[in-house]
Formats: sequence, structure tokens, C-alpha cells
Amino acid sequence: EDKVVQSPLSLVVHEGDTVTLNCSYEVTNFRSLLWYKQEKKAPTFLFMLTSSGIEKKSGRLSSILDKKELSSILNITATQTGDSAIYLCAVEADSNYQLIWGAGTKLIIKP
Amino acid sequence: ETGVTQTPRHLVMGMTNKKSLKCEQHLGHNAMYWYKQSAKKPLELMFVYNFKEQTENNSVPSRFSPECPNSSHLFLHLHTLQPEDSALYLCASSLHGPGRNEQFFGPGTRLTVL
Repeated sequence: EDKVVQSPLSLVVHEGDTVTLNCSYEVTNFRSLLWYKQEKKAPTFLFMLTSSGIEKKSGRLSSILDKKELSSILNITATQTGDSAIYLCAVEADSNYQLIWGAGTKLIIKP
Repeated sequence: ETGVTQTPRHLVMGMTNKKSLKCEQHLGHNAMYWYKQSAKKPLELMFVYNFKEQTENNSVPSRFSPECPNSSHLFLHLHTLQPEDSALYLCASSLHGPGRNEQFFGPGTRLTVL
């Protein structure tokens, strides 16, 4: 059965710290991996990764995919309280283009 | 604003009520999705519509009934729900095709079943 596992489930750090969130997957016919941020209600799209080893960057956030290890990491540097959210990872497989979701990592940034 | 709207934002209903959730997307997408999000669980895909045709029904109980009159609108009709159905119900849309499956989400409806 296809599955996506995120770790840690929750994380509390202080403002200014750097955090690394993990996502590992077991799917047949992997196509892409996506990261979303969910603050209050609607998850908002962050990154889509399809190729191994190519870093995608947006401000203080960056992400990279390792197809050999079947995993991805999401890095946030110089964290701010506004980064507090649930970070969701999802994987798209070839079969039907639907997304398989992880349970999320709840990140809390303390001032 | 993601271009996907949902109403109502909050709903409290009894187990014998009938209600409907509405979703509308203004992005020109082909596919629309209903998800259920319960605390500390992965998003659960309920239904998928592609070009108004239902392509997935992930063993969802019949007390949930979807309707997709056109590519921009999606409804979820609710009837005789159970307290365990209380959750956040999210609607999403996408272009639905290889490499184009970034999904855009609405704000969700927080449903409480008494």
C-alpha cells in the first residue's frame, strides 16, 4: 500500500532557529512530491519536486528530493513566528494523479 | 485567496439533519476533490471529479453524497451523519494531468455533528 510518513509529528523551536522537516514515501511509480503549509484552514502550496538533488528555494524555505532514499526535506532558516503551521507532504504516483498525504508536522515557533 | 471558495465556513448539525456543503473554483481547473481532515490524521480523499465525471469514491459511506453540476462547482450533500463525521472538510481543484497536479484548496468547512 502506498504511504507517506512525515517526521517529526510536532516540533517546537525558538525564533531564529533553523528547522528541518522530513518526508519519506513508499509508492509505486513515483511522479512528484509536494509540500504545503497549513496555517488556519486552507493548505497553501510551497514546492513541487520531481528531480532528485535539485534544490527548490523560496526565501527562507528550501526543499530537496532524494529519490534513492525515497525522501525529501524541507528546511526553514531564521524561523519567525509566522512560520508556525502544519507542514504537509504529499506524493503523486503515476497511476491516477491523486495525491497521497502524510499526517503533517506541526511546527511551533516561540518568540 | 486561492481561487477556491467554500460555504459555509462552519456548520453544526444534528444527526437527523440534511445539509449541503458548497465549493466553487475560479481557476479554470478540470478536477475537483473533497477531502476530510481529522486531527492528527492524513488528509483523507473522499471523492474526485474530472470534467464533471466522478472518478474516485474512496469507500465513503452513503450518508455523504457528492454532486458536480459543472467543472466549477462541487457539492457535498450530508444526511444522517454520525458524531465521528465531525471534521474539517476541504475542497480542492487542479488541472489534473501529468505534472500538473498541484492542488489549490478552499478554506474548508468545520463540521460538528451533535
